[in-house]
Order: sequence, then C-alpha cells, then structure tokens
Amino acid sequence: SQKIEQNSEALNIQEGKTATLTCNYTNYSPAYLQWYRQDPGRGPVFLLLIRENEKEKRKERLKVTFDTTLKQSLFHITASQPADSATYLCALWGGNALNFGKGTSLLVTP
Amino acid sequence: DAGVIQSPRHEVTEMGQEVTLRCKPISGHDYLFWYRQTMMRGLELLIYFNNNVPIDDSGMPEDRFSAKMPNASFSTLKIQPSEPRDSAVYFCASRDRDRGDEQYFGPGTRLTVT
Repeated sequence: SQKIEQNSEALNIQEGKTATLTCNYTNYSPAYLQWYRQDPGRGPVFLLLIRENEKEKRKERLKVTFDTTLKQSLFHITASQPADSATYLCALWGGNALNFGKGTSLLVTP
Repeated sequence: DAGVIQSPRHEVTEMGQEVTLRCKPISGHDYLFWYRQTMMRGLELLIYFNNNVPIDDSGMPEDRFSAKMPNASFSTLKIQPSEPRDSAVYFCASRDRDRGDEQYFGPGTRLTVT
C-alpha cells in the first residue's frame, strides 16, 4: 500500500540552527512533491513544490531536496526562528489525489 | 483576495443531527477539494470537483456523507445523520490548474458530534 512517513516525534531546535525534516514514501512514483506549513487552528499553507527531475529547490531560508531513488525528501529551514514553529506536512500526488503525511511538529526555542 | 472561506468555523451537534458545512473557493479556481483531519488519520481527501463536477468521491467514508457544488463559487459537505466518529476538522481547498499544483486551504470547520 502507499505510505507517506514523516517523523511523528516533535523536533525541538534552538533559534539560529538549521532544522531538517524528513519525508519518506513507498509505492508512489510522484511527478512532484509539495511541502505545506500548518499552524494550530489554521489550514495548511503551501510552501514549496519540487518536481521529480529537480534535485533541490530553494526559497529564502527554505531548501527542499528530492531523491526519487531513496524515495525521500528533506526539508531544511536555515537560521531558524521561533516564528518557524509549526507543523510541516509533505504531500505527494498519487492516483487522483494529493496525499498528505501526518506532519512533523517543529518547535524553535529562543 | 479573501482566500478560501468556510463556515461555520465551529459546529457542535448531537448524534443523529444533520450537519452542513459550506465553502467558497478562491474566485477563478477550477478545482475544489474537501478534506478531513484527525490526529489518528491525518489529512484525508474526501472528494474533489473540477469545474463544479465531482471527479473522485472515493474518500467519502459512507453514504451519510454527500457533497455538492452547484456553482463555481459555492460547495457544501453534508453529513446526515452525524455520528461521534465524524468529529474532526473539515477543510476545503481550491486550486487554479493554470497557475500551478498548489492548493489553497480554508481555515477549516471544527465539528464536534456529541
């Protein structure tokens, strides 16, 4: 069966450090992968999309990598700030739907 | 643009009652999605529409759930009769295919069925 796995344990890091979140998937051949941010009580907000022929994509302090051999995406936030604290979801297109992982909670402490 | 609008934001109802959730997508978007989010199961797609036509409703849990999109600016998700296990946050999202693959989510409706 298709699975999208994100670390269920919260990630706690100190302000200024780089946060790295992992998304692993099985039984998908995605044309692209997306990352979303979700704050408590709000809907997910789109951050980045990376296509299967792209190894890396950057947007400001965010960097996403996509390894279709390892079936893994890494999401990095450099120079993290307390305002980056949120849950981050990865999503893959499979069949007729965009399927989401359960997300990883990130807490950045001053 | 006001973004995706959902109402109500919170709904508390008793088991057996009918519940109707409402969504107004971003103007010009041609796709509309209904999701349900719980701690146990995460974010699950229930149904989606393209140009007001239902394309895939395989995620709708059972016949108690129904969704309509009578025009490009309005959609409803109805649960009748509601059950405690339907308690969740329901999100509506829209997408403009011509502008990319990202989806824009509404603020959600938190449903509690007692």
